Amino acid sequence: QSVLTQPPSASGTPGQRVIISCSGSSSNIGSNYVYWYQQLPGTAPKLLISRNSQRPSGVPDRFSGSKSGTSASLAISGLRSEDEADYYCAAWDDSLSAWVFGGGTKLTVL
Amino acid sequence: EVQLAESGGGLAQPGRSLRLSCAASGFTFDDYAMHWVRQGPGKGLEWVSGISWNSGSTGYADSVKGRFTISRDNAKNSLYLQMNSLRVEDTAFYYCAKGVGTMVRGVIDSWGQGILVTVSS
Repeated sequence: QSVLTQPPSASGTPGQRVIISCSGSSSNIGSNYVYWYQQLPGTAPKLLISRNSQRPSGVPDRFSGSKSGTSASLAISGLRSEDEADYYCAAWDDSLSAWVFGGGTKLTVL
Repeated sequence: EVQLAESGGGLAQPGRSLRLSCAASGFTFDDYAMHWVRQGPGKGLEWVSGISWNSGSTGYADSVKGRFTISRDNAKNSLYLQMNSLRVEDTAFYYCAKGVGTMVRGVIDSWGQGILVTVSS
């Protein structure tokens, strides 16, 4: 079982807004930044959101992140077919002294 | 452009060893922490291990602690993962990854393409 909890799947139609949640604890999300990765089919993960809500260069502003307490969320607005991918949240865990990931959410664009 | 190229994967029997290597280019290797992250077939991402810029600090997932050893050679721009006492559940794609900053707790911002390790009798 993953230390961070994500829903296994999410879906939406083109143009819709989708939100993916990530739940943790005081030793990870509660005390450290949350990061989000996008993994397109057959490719390596790509950093999508840094430090809870910052977008690295080249990431469209359709992607946004937020954090509150021990939970975080990734929002994707104006959904496109190319957004179909697996999305992972990650955070440093102070108790484990390790990076922890969510189990991943498979986003389907209907 | 950051490039990370893994090698050394393949098939190993349970209880045997494998050594993964990662050749890095496109950035100043000894300015950054480095990591190994794995992904089992059809499964999610699992951080395996990380090492600071000067090898002064390392970290391991509980699932590999005592069996795997991470190391780096800054003169060769290379990262390594020595995997001993392999188990069937170690079967996965192993990604070499670059951190942001010098320490293990800095986020991972670049990934290699991954290499498959299969542990089976």
